[in-house]
Amino acid sequence: AQSVAQPEDQVNVAEGNPLTVKCTYSVSGNPYLFWYVQYPNRGLQFLLKYITGDNLVKGSYGFEAEFNKSQTSFHLKKPSALVSDSALYFCAVRDEGTGGGNKLTFGTGTQLKVEL
Amino acid sequence: GAVVSQHPSRVICKSGTSVKIECRSLDFQATTMFWYRQFPKQSLMLMATSNEGSKATYEQGVEKDKFLINHASLTLSTLTVTSAHPEDSSFYICSASFPSGNEQFFGPGTRLTVL
Repeated sequence: AQSVAQPEDQVNVAEGNPLTVKCTYSVSGNPYLFWYVQYPNRGLQFLLKYITGDNLVKGSYGFEAEFNKSQTSFHLKKPSALVSDSALYFCAVRDEGTGGGNKLTFGTGTQLKVEL
Repeated sequence: GAVVSQHPSRVICKSGTSVKIECRSLDFQATTMFWYRQFPKQSLMLMATSNEGSKATYEQGVEKDKFLINHASLTLSTLTVTSAHPEDSSFYICSASFPSGNEQFFGPGTRLTVL
């Protein structure tokens, strides 16, 4: 079975400071990892994904994430946070090792609050 | 590209009535569509996986007779909540993927309120 953990319900950061939103995963095969952002009463917007290749993945709106196989982590980062980054962030994983198809498992979400 | 729409965006209905939610892939053909349910301040819970031309695969605990899913074409899947009750009130989100894709594209969601 595949699972995702986002250990922080909320992350607070000052505008201009770097931000990190944590994600760890568990799969039996090779992981496909995703980050999505959700604004209130809206669907999910894709930020970035790791399939294969470079461990550092760059995505939309200046976000990036680093795949760390030994730590089974895929933390989301941004060098300089903006107030407009305040939203709910979801990490998701897809396990290619057990015939799970393209079914995604989502973490519980992390509310990011960027303050002036 | 890869735009997914949902209709309606918001619906309020009386208890006991049925509500249909549409999910469309606007600029691509989606062999697989997914239906999720999201409670306030919670994660997305997969309800079912819908493949074009075949019966949907429901997740454990999801009543297939209550949440009817139809995926009659490569661009349209519908979710019908039958005999809705207040506990069915939730945010329903669909997603779609390419035939060989490893990424899901999400619709904007439908807020269902059952009175």
